[in-house]
Order: sequence, then structure tokens, then C-alpha cells
Amino acid sequence: AAGVIQSPRHLIKEKRETATLKCYPIPRHDTVYWYQQGPGQDPQFLISFYEKMQSDKGSIPDRFSAQQFSDYHSELNMSSLELGDSALYFCASSFSRGHEQYFGPGTRLTVT
Amino acid sequence: QQPVQSPQAVILREGEDAVINCSSSKALYSVHWYRQKHGEAPVFLMILLKGGEQKGHEKISASFNEKKQQSSLYLTASQLSYSGTYFCGTVSGGYQKVTFGIGTKLQVIP
Repeated sequence: AAGVIQSPRHLIKEKRETATLKCYPIPRHDTVYWYQQGPGQDPQFLISFYEKMQSDKGSIPDRFSAQQFSDYHSELNMSSLELGDSALYFCASSFSRGHEQYFGPGTRLTVT
Repeated sequence: QQPVQSPQAVILREGEDAVINCSSSKALYSVHWYRQKHGEAPVFLMILLKGGEQKGHEKISASFNEKKQQSSLYLTASQLSYSGTYFCGTVSGGYQKVTFGIGTKLQVIP
């Protein structure tokens, strides 16, 4: 069965640089979620989209922005990167809101 | 507000049973359960919805007490593959924002 695809899988950036993470949801899933997970921590909800509109917002810094495109893929744009942004970033998708979420393999971002 | 999970860690021998609890101070719309192995993505185990509907893997069972805002995950006849960190995630109010607990580290040993 098709799963959530995230790219890139690993990313190394320097402080103050920008990064773009991409997420391709499971086919026919119209809802996408972004999470940030630090080492040994639980996933922290960042933002979600339903039918290409922002649906819910969590602890996403103002330096980050995201959108969902017409083909339902989503991109998380991160600017002015800080050392503290180093983490695993997961994208998840679900069939409509309120349903179970399926996580992608994650993008490991390292900021040096 | 983050749900509270207990225990924080547990070690089981193969074949033993375990219960992981999750409680929230907020009225809940749903409870999600995930298992995550080190360096991997969380894997969906179970979703329990207000009103009694639930969906998940056949070998996993869970309960949801809406009045007490509590959920429990039941792992029976544990196998080595059950090892990992179990997260409960709660949804209250909005449809989508899942707030995860700090996780329960479960290790199954031979």
C-alpha cells in the first residue's frame, strides 16, 4: 500500500539559511499534518491543512510557513534557521479530518 | 494541554501483558495510539472516538472512558516486536490537532 512520502530524508543547513521540506500524502487523503520531534521527545504538532486550506495551527514559529497545493502535497518552508530547529520533521496524512493519521518516514534536519 | 501517560517505562517478558494509560484534563473528541521505534515514524495502532467508534489493528485493544477523559491500551501476549515507545494523542475541540503525551517506553525481553 502507498505510504506518505517525504523529501528530502536528510538535510543539513547552516544557521540563518532556509529549508523546504516536502510531503506527498497517501492517495485520496485530503488532510496533511506537520510535526516536529526533538531527540527523546514526543511529536509536537505544527500545522495542518484540509482541502488545501490551513485548518489548525500549533506551536509553529513565525519563521516557518506551510501550504498545501492543488495536488494535496504540502511544503514546510523554514527560514532563518536556528540550532534549535534541528529535529525530525514528520508529515502525516489522513482521509478527511478527525481520522487516524499515517506518518511519513520523516526528514531529519540538522542545523550547524 | 498534554495528556498524562503512565507508566513512563515498562519491561515485559515475552508473553506477558501490559496496560498503558492516558488521561486528559480536557473533554476529548478522540484518542489516538501510536507506537514508535527509535529513529522511525510513529505507526498508527488505534483510534477511539467519542460515541464509541473505534478502529485499529486486530491484535490491539483499547478503551475510552469519555466521562473521565481516560484511555487505556491493552497489550496481551507481548512479542519482541512490541518494543518501542507508545504515544497516546488526544484531540479536543478542533478536529485535527493531536497533542501527544510524553510516551511510554516498553521493552519486551526474551
